[in-house]
Amino acid sequence: EPEVTQTPSHQVTQMGQEVILRCVPISNHLYFYWYRQILGQKVEFLVSFYNNEISEKSEIFDDQFSVERPDGSNFTLKIRSTKLEDSAMYFCASTVGLVTDTQYFGPGTRLTVL
Amino acid sequence: AQTVTQSQPEMSVQEAETVTLSCTYDTSESNYYLFWYKQPPSRQMILVIRQEAYKQQNATENRFSVNFQKAAKSFSLKISDSQLGDTAMYFCAFMKLSNTGNQFYFGTGTSLTVIP
Repeated sequence: EPEVTQTPSHQVTQMGQEVILRCVPISNHLYFYWYRQILGQKVEFLVSFYNNEISEKSEIFDDQFSVERPDGSNFTLKIRSTKLEDSAMYFCASTVGLVTDTQYFGPGTRLTVL
Repeated sequence: AQTVTQSQPEMSVQEAETVTLSCTYDTSESNYYLFWYKQPPSRQMILVIRQEAYKQQNATENRFSVNFQKAAKSFSLKISDSQLGDTAMYFCAFMKLSNTGNQFYFGTGTSLTVIP
């Protein structure tokens, strides 16, 4: 069964550094999402992406964050200048379409900011 | 705004017994979807079951079933014949439909432990 993949599984970075988290959605999916889960807390929506542009974003997704689909297969989340509070698990998800489609989640990238 | 509340942070059940996880939500939307996701210690979230709000019939998937009470905005998950592999964090989620990309709102989760 096709699945969403994410790399790396764990990223450690120094505060202030830029990180790029990578996701490969399921190949025929058209809508892409990023979520984060701070340890012990609930999963929070960050951004949705369709047709090469952001379609919706939450208040968490400020100017420090950006997303890109650089080559038609990868879907990346960039954090420009990481803060301690960015430490979390970041999940990518994708769907074929909208209304009746369930989001398929990747295994997540654990980001640790020191 | 949509909110999802899971009032049971931790639960345990004996193997082969039945357990019910509760979830309530608040929304002004009339059409939406509700989900239960399972997150085992490996951390990848797996869809357990989903319910369309316009359907009155409760969804069932093998040992998993829901009790969807739309008026009460309640969406509980029943796990029958609990197995050790059911040990995981369970998240209730609300999906708001949008032309530009559906948004999920998650509850804080219930950690379920199945005891041998």
